[in-house]
Amino acid sequence: TQLLEQSPQFLSIQEGENLTVYCNSSSVFSSLQWYRQEPGEGPVLLVTVVTGGEVKKLKRLTFQFGDARKDSSLHITAAQPGDTGLYLCAGARGLDYKLSFGAGTTVTVRA
Amino acid sequence: DAGVTQSPTHLIKTRGQQVTLRCSPKSGHDTVSWYQQALGQGPQFIFQYYEEEERQRGNFPDRFSGHQFPNYSSELNVNALLLGDSALYLCASTLDSIYGYTFGSGTRLTVV
Repeated sequence: TQLLEQSPQFLSIQEGENLTVYCNSSSVFSSLQWYRQEPGEGPVLLVTVVTGGEVKKLKRLTFQFGDARKDSSLHITAAQPGDTGLYLCAGARGLDYKLSFGAGTTVTVRA
Repeated sequence: DAGVTQSPTHLIKTRGQQVTLRCSPKSGHDTVSWYQQALGQGPQFIFQYYEEEERQRGNFPDRFSGHQFPNYSSELNVNALLLGDSALYLCASTLDSIYGYTFGSGTRLTVV
């Protein structure tokens, strides 16, 4: 059973459109991280959120951590082909040192 | 500034064999974690090393073992390889996990 559920699993949109990826759990996390992974490469950290209700913006990407610290979302505005990749959310619970990853959302932005 | 370096990049082994994967963490990082990523899945935590000790372990059998050296580099050893061990093995390092991890590009292990 996956601790973090991501939806949707796949997303294909046209350049210029907006998209949102969701990451949900029944567990509380002390921090939640978003990574992007391209084929043949390791995940690259996009952002870390630690406070319930926190919103962080990174250019066209907006990340939100739920008030109860059980869920998060990633919103991309005016998507570009360079945004194509596998988006992974990962959380650390309490005193856990490990990161638990979601299964990922594969995003394809068509030119 | 070099990030996380993993070697080798690709490896093909036969069932029953043993394999050793290597990782050099990002400069300044002292904590190393290993993950297994099957095709189409998110990474699964194997274990984490800090101060040359295994600090936490995921749900992997004892066939998976590791080591951390005084210079913070690390090795992942897998004995008695099974076909199901075929995956991308990722090494990640950090100084403080709350700020996220830096991942290497991984070692693609194929067991035939």
